[in-house]
Formats: sequence, C-alpha cells, structure tokens
Amino acid sequence: DIQMTQSPSSLPASLGDRVTITCRASQDIGNYLRWFQQKPGKSPRLMIYGATNLANGVPSRFSGSRSGSDYSLTINSLESEDMAIYYCLQHNEYPFTFGSGTKLEIK
Amino acid sequence: QVQLKESGPGLVKPSLTLSLTCTVSGFSLSSYGVIWVRQPPGKGLEWMGVIWGNGNTNYNSALKSRLSISRDTSKSQVFLKMNNLQTEDTAMYFCARWDHWGQGVMVTVSS
Repeated sequence: DIQMTQSPSSLPASLGDRVTITCRASQDIGNYLRWFQQKPGKSPRLMIYGATNLANGVPSRFSGSRSGSDYSLTINSLESEDMAIYYCLQHNEYPFTFGSGTKLEIK
Repeated sequence: QVQLKESGPGLVKPSLTLSLTCTVSGFSLSSYGVIWVRQPPGKGLEWMGVIWGNGNTNYNSALKSRLSISRDTSKSQVFLKMNNLQTEDTAMYFCARWDHWGQGVMVTVSS
C-alpha cells in the first residue's frame, strides 16, 4: 500500500499567518492527490483535487502544489474559519490512502 | 442539488454483520463513483472502498475479506455490508462523491 506521510501532526498558527501542510508519498502517485478539511463534528470537505486545483467554493487563499513526491497545502492569511484538521488522500493506486491528518489550531 | 445520506443501525453486536445504505440524489450512480470512508472516534479517516459508475468495486485490502459494496441504481442507493464486526469497527461511516459527503452515521459495536 502507498503510505502518505503527513506533517506536521499539529500546527499552531496565528490569524493572518501563512501555513503549509505537507504529504509525502511512498510511491509515485502523479497528481492523484486530494486535500480535505474536517471541522469538529462535521463531514470532510474537498478543498483541492488533482494536487493543485481548487474545489468549488474554496477560498482563493488555499492552494496546492507538488514537488516530486511532496504535496503541499498552503493557506495564505489564515482566518479563524480555517481552524480544522486537514487530510491528504492519494487515489492513484488501490487501496486509496489518507494521510494521518494535521490539526491546525490557533496559537 | 447533490446530496448523500447514510442510514443504518447505530448499534451492532460483535461478530454480526453491518448493513448501511447511502441514498443519493441530484446525480446518477451510473455516472459517478461513490466511496465509503470511516472514522473511529478521535482518529483519522480510513478509505474503505468504492463503487464506480460502471459498477466495478475496489476495497481496502485490510477489509476486503469482510466488506462488500453494491448498489441499486433504480433506487439511487449504495449498500455497504461488512461481516464479523469487532469493537475496533466502531466508527462514523461516511459515503461520498468526493466533492459531496453525507453527514455520516455512527456505528457502535458492542454486546
């Protein structure tokens, strides 16, 4: 199975900060990478698909990028509504696998 | 609009079979895949399996021997069946179309 190593597991940040979350794939997954946001008690929400494409309705302060086997989610100018847990998911090869999650919280 | 809604028993006894239904609206199951994802309390997300628009299925290898996903396109329903449930299967179970998710159904495995 492809392992998605996500870091950091916890990310304290201040409002207005620029933050980056990273997932490293253990094998080539091309651009078959999605990012999800999950708030407490809620279902996950698709934020990024195809590694770099913003999903419908997602604010433009969110962006996705790829450098080799490293995939990043960046949030510019953090807002309070962005506090959540973020997960990456690879869907290039079965079984699809999630990263372990990054909890973004207010410092 | 696109909607998905899970339904099923909240409590299942150990060793028995879990049956969940995902009822969708706003799109055709013949055109879109539906995934199942679960989340134990306080833990991360686990991909369980998918049924594609053509009816093909793929499963998490760790669950493959116990898991079955099927559908009834005429009723816009996707079904998940997992047998021999154990306490570690206690989780919130979600169905989703990637960009749209159900609210989830909490399943507790306990005698």
